This record gives sequence, C-alpha cells and structure tokens, in this order.
Amino acid sequence: EIVLTQSPGTLSLSPGEGATLSCRASQSVSSSYLAWYQQKPGQAPRLLIYGATTRATGIPDRFSGSGSGTDFTLTISRLEPEDFAVYHCQHYISSITFGQGTRLEIK
Amino acid sequence: EVQLVESGGGLVKSGGSLRLSCAASGFSFSIYSMNWVRQAPGKGLEWVSSISSGSRYIHYADSVRGRFTISRDNSKTSLYLQMNNLRAEDTAVYYCAREMITDAAFDVWGQGTMVTISS
Repeated sequence: EIVLTQSPGTLSLSPGEGATLSCRASQSVSSSYLAWYQQKPGQAPRLLIYGATTRATGIPDRFSGSGSGTDFTLTISRLEPEDFAVYHCQHYISSITFGQGTRLEIK
Repeated sequence: EVQLVESGGGLVKSGGSLRLSCAASGFSFSIYSMNWVRQAPGKGLEWVSSISSGSRYIHYADSVRGRFTISRDNSKTSLYLQMNNLRAEDTAVYYCAREMITDAAFDVWGQGTMVTISS
C-alpha cells in the first residue's frame, strides 16, 4: 500500500501570502492519479486538483498542482480568507489512500 | 443540482450492525462508480470501499473487509454500506463520493452521516 505523507502538519500564513503544501508518496506513483481536496470544518471535502495538475470545475486559478514520481505540491498564490482549511492529497489507482492532511491556518 | 445525501448513521453498540444509504440525484447515477470514505473525529480521510457502475467490481479497505458490504441499486439511484460486527474504531463520519468518469478522483461528496460505536 502506498503511504502518502503530507507536510507541514500545520501551516500558519496571512491572507495575501503564498502557500506551498507537500505530499510525498512512499513509492513512485503515476501523476495521473494524484488529487488534492480542501475541507472546511463541518463540511465534506471538495475536489481541487486531479491528475496532479488539473483544476476541478470552478476552482480558482490561484490553486495549482505540480509534481511527479514521489513528490507532489499544491500551491496557493495570494491566500484569500476562505482558503484557510485542511488540505488532503489522495492517490487513487490500484489502491486508494489519503495523506494525513495539512491544516492551513491564519497567522 | 448534483447531490448525494447520506442517511442511516447513529449510535450502535460494539458488535452491532448498521446500514448506511446514499441517495443520488441530479446526474446519471448508473454510469458512475461510487465510493464510501470515512473520517474519524479529528483524523484524516480513510477510503472504505468502492463499487463500479454495474456492481461488477467491488473493493474494500483491509480494515473493513469481511465486515462491510457495499452495494447499489441503480433503479433507486442509491448506494448502500452494510456494516456488521462494528468496532469502536469504526466510529467516524461516513461520506459517499462519486468518481469522475474521465478520471478516478472523487468530484462529488455527500454531507456525511455520523456513526458512533459504543463499548
């Protein structure tokens, strides 16, 4: 089973700043099957990025995904107040696993 | 509006059973693979089970295999999760989620239903 490790566990930033969230896989994975989700308190996750780099419908272009092999990154440029949430990465082929999440909090 | 609505959660004693339902609307349910994902209080997401559009392909996480059974009724646009021999570690919010047709990421999620297992 592929293990996904997200870092940092918590990221404290201010609105307007940029954020870089990491997701590292225990073995090389196809970038075609790496997704990122945003989850706010009391809400279901929302798909942000799939195929490592493709934004889901309605997702602002300040969200971008990159990476390949074992290292993947979610970048949020110019943080908006509504971006402060927990972010999960997911691998979804042959087996489906999630990272433990990164909490993005207001500094 | 594309929507998934879970129901059936509640408080059950360890060793008991529960059946979750997920009612789909606003899309062609029968052509989509569906999944159950759970989240224990304060924890991350854990994939539980998946079922293909025609129920031919079914997969389970090791943690629930042999205890949980996923099924669907395309005529009722509904997804189900039969949970038997429940344990304290099954306590979580259970979400149903739709897989994209062109990709296998989960693009639509329900609001979740809470399952609490007491000892």
